[in-house]
Formats: sequence, structure tokens, C-alpha cells
Amino acid sequence: NAGVTQTPKFQVLKTGQSMTLQCAQDMNHEYMSWYRQDPGMGLRLIHYSVGAGITDQGEVPNGYNVSRSTTEDFPLRLLSAAPSQTSVYFCASRRRAQLTYGYTFGSGTRLTVV
Amino acid sequence: AQKVTQAQTEISVVEKEDVTLDCVYETRDTTYYLFWYKQPPSGELVFLIRRNSFDEQNEISGRYSWNFQKSTSSFNFTITASQVVDSAVYFCALLNRETSGSRLTFGEGTQLTVNP
Repeated sequence: NAGVTQTPKFQVLKTGQSMTLQCAQDMNHEYMSWYRQDPGMGLRLIHYSVGAGITDQGEVPNGYNVSRSTTEDFPLRLLSAAPSQTSVYFCASRRRAQLTYGYTFGSGTRLTVV
Repeated sequence: AQKVTQAQTEISVVEKEDVTLDCVYETRDTTYYLFWYKQPPSGELVFLIRRNSFDEQNEISGRYSWNFQKSTSSFNFTITASQVVDSAVYFCALLNRETSGSRLTFGEGTQLTVNP
């Protein structure tokens, strides 16, 4: 059971480049989320999804797009990277009926935009 | 709206000292869940404990203990006889009800350094 898998683990982008951070889970979790972690600010919610075909914005959605075509995958797209998007990104998932167990997190993607 | 505050940005202790990490939360929901996560230098998030809003019993797990007080909206975490391996960033988080988008709101984190 792999849990939540994020790829890549590290990435360096130039300003203006685009890329997709991949997130996949094999636990049949309905809920998936993307967070970014910045020093002194904890983790902040970017986008989330409550099921295939359903996504919504979180606290800091600007500059990011998501889609959820399958239950397993929830990619995060940066269309035109900016230095302000330098951060560590975490994907998380949980089963809708198991609120008490919180989220399972991936190991993170460290992104640097130069 | 939800908010979690961890007022201690950094704490430094000497091994074997006890240390308490503070967490204060705000929510209008009557049903919610509180969590503590550990982030070691390797970067992953490690789940430590969850508490629901209806269970105010304190919990002890080995050297770790948690004190949940609804009256003061606090969920503090104590490490007894700290060890160097406890050095990490610790996050307190709040998860609200389903109908509110199921958002996990994190505090800013407390960097704990345990010196030998």
C-alpha cells in the first residue's frame, strides 16, 4: 500500500515555465488536497477536491490549477511559475466517511523558481 | 473562519528537559478535530495525535502528552524528558465539519531544538 505518492521530490523552474506536480493515492480516498508550506506560515490550502470531477479553491489558489478526472490522481498545475511560488508542496487525501482520521500526506515536493 | 495559533516560533531545550508546545484555536463549529503533526528534518509530516471536540480527556503516549481544554480553546503538547530525536517542527491543526469544505487549518509551526 503506497499511500500518497508525490512526484517529483525536487524541481527547479525558471520564471514563466509551466509544470505539473503529480499526486496519486491508492487508498480510494474521496478527498484530496494540495497545501504549500512556507517558513513561519504553516501549511496553507491551495485547492481541494471532494471527489472525481469536483474541485474548489482553498486559501491561496492564485497561480495554480487543478483537475480531478479520477479518484486516484490530483495533479497541481503551475501555468507560469513565479518566484513567489517557491515552496514545499504537500498533497493529502482522506476518506470522506472517516473525518476523525484526518489526512494522509505525501512526502512533499520542494519547488524552487528562479 | 478557522484559525490556529502557535505563538512559540522556536524553542530550544537541553536533553532531558520537559517542554510544552502551545496551540490555541478558533472555530465557530461545535464539531471539530484537532491534530498534532511532527515534521523532522527529512521533511515528511508525521501524524502524532487527533482529538475530537467532544473528548476532553487528556492523553499520554510514552513521553508525549496532550492537554485539551475547550474552555481556553487550547490543545497543548508536552514532551517529557526530551531527546535529540525530538528535534523537529511541530504543527497543530484543526479540521472542521464536512459541510465547510473539510479544510485542515494549520498553525505556523514551532521549531523545537533539543540539544545534547
